[in-house]
Amino acid sequence: QKEVEQNSGPLSVPEGAIASLNCTYSDRGSQSFFWYRQYSGKSPELIMSIYSNGDKEDGRFTAQLNKASQYVSLLIRDSQPSDSATYLCAVNNNQAGTALIFGKGTTLSVSS
Amino acid sequence: EPEVTQTPSHQVTQMGQEVILRCVPISNHLYFYWYRQILGQKVEFLVSFYNNEISEKSEIFDDQFSVERPDGSNFTLKIRSTKLEDSAMYFCASNPGQTGETQYFGPGTRLLVL
Repeated sequence: QKEVEQNSGPLSVPEGAIASLNCTYSDRGSQSFFWYRQYSGKSPELIMSIYSNGDKEDGRFTAQLNKASQYVSLLIRDSQPSDSATYLCAVNNNQAGTALIFGKGTTLSVSS
Repeated sequence: EPEVTQTPSHQVTQMGQEVILRCVPISNHLYFYWYRQILGQKVEFLVSFYNNEISEKSEIFDDQFSVERPDGSNFTLKIRSTKLEDSAMYFCASNPGQTGETQYFGPGTRLLVL
């Protein structure tokens, strides 16, 4: 059974702080990794994708991947109240197909 | 910017009835997907569709479910004889066609089975 694990939270940070979200996955053959943001009652919205070990930065967001440890994280710098949402980690094993396996998500709350 | 669209946004049905959820994927995308999310739970893969046939399906996608691309734009999910536990948000997604590429999600259809 392929699993993607995330702490459900809530993770509470003050405005302007760094939020750190973590995800582990069980399928060692996974090759594509995605972070989606989901506001309550809405659909997942892509924040970042990462495919290689290391860091990938996009504005206030940095994704980090460590395939040896089967670990992927998302850092949000200068957190804003509008960042308050559930962050979903999704993983794909390209060799097995194109389906995304999602974690349950971490709820982030940014207080002003 | 192109978007995946879904209709209806909400659907209420009686247990045992058939429902059809509709999606228009992003034009020129080649892979289409259905996912569902039961309230408070994770997003779960149901089925993928490529080149006019199912390419992959999960254990959830049993004989109660079927998918179809009836024309060049629509992609549908049919649920026969709905059950209470089918109540969920159903998301359609599409991707351009390379494995591992980003999947773009539609706004979802909230299905309530009474």
